[in-house]
Amino acid sequence: SAVISQKPSRDICQRGTSLTIQCQVDSQVTMMFWYRQQPGQSLTLIATANQGSEATYESGFVIDKFPISRPNLTFSTLTVSNMSPEDSSIYLCSAREFEQFFGPGTRLTVL
Amino acid sequence: LAKTTQPISMDSYEGQEVNITCSHNNIATNDYITWYQQFPSQGPRFIIQGYKTKVTNEVASLFIPADRKSSTLSLPRVSLSDTAVYYCLVGASGAGRRALTFGSGTRLQVQP
Repeated sequence: SAVISQKPSRDICQRGTSLTIQCQVDSQVTMMFWYRQQPGQSLTLIATANQGSEATYESGFVIDKFPISRPNLTFSTLTVSNMSPEDSSIYLCSAREFEQFFGPGTRLTVL
Repeated sequence: LAKTTQPISMDSYEGQEVNITCSHNNIATNDYITWYQQFPSQGPRFIIQGYKTKVTNEVASLFIPADRKSSTLSLPRVSLSDTAVYYCLVGASGAGRRALTFGSGTRLQVQP
């Protein structure tokens, strides 16, 4: 099974600023994804991070707000741009070969 | 995408067997059924995956009837540490497939 790490594990940010979350997988994986989980809620898929091309976003999520990079088969970043308190959430990176695995999440609080 | 329905919450006591049933009436031919466990402040952890009949590993068993429209996760002799949210997901497996979509999950509370 793949081991996924995320940085930072948590952060407190001011309204209007941006935060970039890094995701590192310990082995090459075909698919990487980003999810959001609001307090007490289930996970919502933000986008699929495509290696070497633009990410594929789910309904309700746009590139200007959540730009994603995936420069290689083990690494991806998610940026939460121009943050507002409504962006306070846990952001989870996920990777998939046969099974799908998840990172520990980044807990973001926007003041 | 096949939608799943599972109980919002369940209560149990230590040492009991817990069975969580999930319905997925619109499951497609190439869909697998996967269960995840999530503790507070952690990412979901893969528990078990199956396609049909019964699958067993060191943690749980998964029962899938012939019509595959439902599945049951069985946790033998639960302990306090099994208190968590359990998600049933349905989707095609393997690389290149769409990301799994999460439903509401079942919050299991194990009492001493």
